Amino acid sequence: LAKTTQPISMDSYEGQEVNITCSHNNIATNDYITWYQQFPSQGPRFIIQGYKTKVTNEVASLFIPADRKSSTLSLPRVSLSDTAVYYCLVGDRGSTLGRLYFGRGTQLTVWP
Amino acid sequence: DAGVIQSPRHEVTEMGQEVTLRCKPISGHNSLFWYRQTMMRGLELLIYFNNNVPIDDSGMPEDRFSAKMPNASFSTLKIQPSEPRDSAVYFCASRLQGYEQYFGPGTRLTVT
Repeated sequence: LAKTTQPISMDSYEGQEVNITCSHNNIATNDYITWYQQFPSQGPRFIIQGYKTKVTNEVASLFIPADRKSSTLSLPRVSLSDTAVYYCLVGDRGSTLGRLYFGRGTQLTVWP
Repeated sequence: DAGVIQSPRHEVTEMGQEVTLRCKPISGHNSLFWYRQTMMRGLELLIYFNNNVPIDDSGMPEDRFSAKMPNASFSTLKIQPSEPRDSAVYFCASRLQGYEQYFGPGTRLTVT
């Protein structure tokens, strides 16, 4: 099971772009990279998933270099409501043995 | 779609008492996960089921913890006897094979 490393915390101001980088040196060929977001007093929520290059949805973009040993979650023009913990996970989404390791995540705090 | 339903939302009990947490996954999902979250240890996977069968219970802390999934629409996590160190937020999540996990609102357990 590939383990991930990400910063414990980050600070930003409203309107700025935030990039959170995650290292996953032992990623396997079949592994996908998934990011979850958790607000206080709520369960984590899926925000984006990718395998290689770039993925974009209405919430965020995910950049994955060719070697796939890291990935970067990009949040454009953050607002106060983006304050949350962001988890980077790596796993084989198609496997029956589909457990994911959440780790401690990155606490993003957005200031006015 | 009601999402993942957990009950109770809050539970306060005395040390030594039995605690039962309940979860109803999203209809049609074939995997179910139980997590525990604390400030010290973050979000930890306790056990997960695939098609009602326990696949990996290596995260269950000790014999005081047990989980069952008698059918596709119901699961329980039981702690007997409970101890103060079991105080945490317990999340249930469900997943359709190969896609993201959907988390419930959690049960906040306090053991005094």
